[in-house]
Amino acid sequence: GAVVSQHPSRVICKSGTSVKIECRSLDFQATTMFWYRQFPKQSLMLMATSNEGSKATYEQGVEKDKFLINHASLTLSTLTVTSAHPEDSSFYICSASGLAGAGETQYFGPGTRLLVL
Amino acid sequence: DAKTTQPPSMDCAEGRAANLPCNHSTISGNEYVYWYRQIHSQGPQYIIHGLKNNETNEMASLIITEDRKSSTLILPHATLRDTAVYYCIVRLIGTASKLTFGTGTRLQVTL
Repeated sequence: GAVVSQHPSRVICKSGTSVKIECRSLDFQATTMFWYRQFPKQSLMLMATSNEGSKATYEQGVEKDKFLINHASLTLSTLTVTSAHPEDSSFYICSASGLAGAGETQYFGPGTRLLVL
Repeated sequence: DAKTTQPPSMDCAEGRAANLPCNHSTISGNEYVYWYRQIHSQGPQYIIHGLKNNETNEMASLIITEDRKSSTLILPHATLRDTAVYYCIVRLIGTASKLTFGTGTRLQVTL
């Protein structure tokens, strides 16, 4: 399967600071990338969908000014959590799709655990 | 997207086949059935997907009923490393459409 990486794998920051998370597709060109968030003992919740070179589409209830998404190339998308607060502490996971063939399977990164103090 | 129903948990003895059911009675003709699993503290791992025919790969087999209203994921020889939450998801064909995760089935493989 295709490989998606994320960096960093975990980050601890102070309240009020901004944190950037990178998502890279290592062996394929990702026309679409997705960002999910997962709180403890809960399922994954989609935050936004981004297509290369265009603005991201955010799910209802997700603040676009707080969670900035940039998909500048076919292999890189970034999520910036601006002015992070303790309630933003969560497991952030990206996925990417764009392989040829039916269904355009999404492949997931390993996730980034964010802790805001 | 159509919703799916899965049992919350299942147990399986190591070395035996694990059969994980999924109901998707409202699936439409342009939706695939996808299976992913998530091992604790990791990102979801793609397992297999299908439209209406049965599918098999190196990880698992997917059996879809003729009316497409349900499916079964089969892990032929479960190991301890297969302990995870398994998600059955229906997803539109042909576009980079989003995945909607339910609560999945927590599979516990035991000695």
